[in-house]
Amino acid sequence: DVKVTQSSRYLVKRTGEKVFLECVQDMDHENMFWYRQDPGLGLRLIYFSYDVKMKEKGDIPEGYSVSREKKERFSLILESASTNQTSMYLCASSPGTSRVREQFFGPGTRLTVL
Amino acid sequence: SQQGEEDPQALSIQEGENATMNCSYKTSINNLQWYRQNSGRGLVHLILIRSNEREKHSGRLRVTLDTSKKSSSLLITASRAADTASYFCATDGASGSRLTFGEGTQLTVNP
Repeated sequence: DVKVTQSSRYLVKRTGEKVFLECVQDMDHENMFWYRQDPGLGLRLIYFSYDVKMKEKGDIPEGYSVSREKKERFSLILESASTNQTSMYLCASSPGTSRVREQFFGPGTRLTVL
Repeated sequence: SQQGEEDPQALSIQEGENATMNCSYKTSINNLQWYRQNSGRGLVHLILIRSNEREKHSGRLRVTLDTSKKSSSLLITASRAADTASYFCATDGASGSRLTFGEGTQLTVNP
């Protein structure tokens, strides 16, 4: 089975802290994605990556950065956490780059910024 | 703006009844997918329908796609309490591998 794991299920941080959210997939997928999910707003794409060291901005990249040094790992970084970044963060991966495939999601990290 | 929009936002039915959820989208697509999310968990892929398909079945799931109306529906037959979850449609487009998700329908199946 495809497995996508995220480093934490729950995380509490303080305003101004640098926050790292890690995501690892074990199926050799080329594509990886970071979303945030908020009530009434659905899933919004923050960043995605088609390959190692490649990254593309999604719909709401402001306040975030990403790193993909290895194919299986995609990290989301909050440079200076703010309270409006309190949210559920979901990582996903999918195979191939030529056309859209189903995405496999991790369990999510619920981040609270105080 | 959101590509996919689900309707209704919330649906409550009794076990054994059928549940129908609708999704509308705005631009041309290559395919449309439906996902399920249990409370506090990640999304799980249910079914994918391509733009040249009109209907697809998987177990108790039936998905239809009407590209002329830019809409899709997900039917769950003979629902069970375990079907209680949020259901999302997701569309691709000219943008490539990324998907755009709707806001979801919260389905509650009462035993």
